[in-house]
Amino acid sequence: SQTIHQWPATLVQPVGSPLSLECTVEGTSNPNLYWYRQAAGRGLQLLFYSVGIGQISSEVPQNLSASRPQDRQFILSSKKLLLSDSGFYLCAWNMNTEAFFGQGTRLTVV
Amino acid sequence: DAKTTQPPSMDCAEGRAANLPCNHSTISGNEYVYWYRQIHSQGPQYIIHGLKNNETNEMASLIITEDRKSSTLILPHATLRDTAVYYCIVRVSRLNTDKLIFGTGTRLQVFP
Repeated sequence: SQTIHQWPATLVQPVGSPLSLECTVEGTSNPNLYWYRQAAGRGLQLLFYSVGIGQISSEVPQNLSASRPQDRQFILSSKKLLLSDSGFYLCAWNMNTEAFFGQGTRLTVV
Repeated sequence: DAKTTQPPSMDCAEGRAANLPCNHSTISGNEYVYWYRQIHSQGPQYIIHGLKNNETNEMASLIITEDRKSSTLILPHATLRDTAVYYCIVRVSRLNTDKLIFGTGTRLQVFP
């Protein structure tokens, strides 16, 4: 069966520090991969998606970047975190039907 | 931008049917309607999806209007555990593009 792993579950980082969140998928090949962010009390905002290795589409201009070095690995990064980067980050994957979400990383920038 | 609009909140008595509406007036012919729900601090959970025909599974039913400009998610017998934010989403799928754009959702409160 397919599973999605996302870590860490919680993270507290100082302003100006770098960020790397990793997401991996098991049990499938060539999935579409997504990064979403959810600010407190708000809906999910699509940040990046990828339909294949090395293919990254950015939905909104921001202080973040994404990379897909392997078929089932999706990484969200920042060189210098801002306070506004705080939020709940979710990785997801889909093939032809429903998308499956990880359990999220709650990032607090202090 | 989200292609769907939903009421921000709804209440439902336990054991009654919860009917959650969604408008998607700009939906294209090959775009699917998906429903997810999110319980506090968890990842969204898939509920159901459809294109033109009404759909039913063990969780819910999805009723799509003939013109496809709106749909309704039906939870036939709501329980307290169904309290969550429900998102109606149009899946945008084209060459090299396949994404789910979430709107603000409907916060469903099921009360005893």
